[in-house]
Amino acid sequence: SQQGEEDPQALSIQEGENATMNCSYKTSINNLQWYRQNSGRGLVHLILIRSNEREKHSGRLRVTLDTSKKSSSLLITASRAADTASYFCATVPYGNNRLAFGKGNQVVVIP
Amino acid sequence: EPEVTQTPSHQVTQMGQEVILRCVPISNHLYFYWYRQILGQKVEFLVSFYNNEISEKSEIFDDQFSVERPDGSNFTLKIRSTKLEDSAMYFCASSWGQGGQETQYFGPGTRLLVL
Repeated sequence: SQQGEEDPQALSIQEGENATMNCSYKTSINNLQWYRQNSGRGLVHLILIRSNEREKHSGRLRVTLDTSKKSSSLLITASRAADTASYFCATVPYGNNRLAFGKGNQVVVIP
Repeated sequence: EPEVTQTPSHQVTQMGQEVILRCVPISNHLYFYWYRQILGQKVEFLVSFYNNEISEKSEIFDDQFSVERPDGSNFTLKIRSTKLEDSAMYFCASSWGQGGQETQYFGPGTRLLVL
């Protein structure tokens, strides 16, 4: 089944630096969503980008979507210690309503 | 800001017992979902629910699972006879429109441990 897949590398950065995560998927999608999960807790929705959009901003977040390459990136600018979390991309395959999650990318922001 | 709530936050049960996980979706949302996350693994879709019936389910959602919207606010997931491998974090989610088009908002989860 089609699913989002983040780059498996964990990120460890200094506060104030930018953090970039990538996600790839396999089939046509309706939209792609990014979520954050603090250790062992719930999923917080960050941003949704539709298949006909190429870039979207929300505060310090910037998401891009390249449907020709079937990939997306999430950029967190001017990172803060509170951004320490796991970040998941989740795709909605075309014609479905279910979210297909990637494995998550652990980001540690060092104060 | 409206949010999805779930109870209990933690549940410990013996293998073979029935458990009911409860969720209160955001009040004006029409679509409801259950997902689960086994420790260290991906979040997996279980089932979606709309207009008082299941609209989609995964291969995980077998006859041991059922969902119900017993009243205008609650949405429940029942596991009839729990197995060790059912131990996971269970997330409820809701969306105003179809999940394929709209944001799905997640609750904080119920951590289920089957002994």
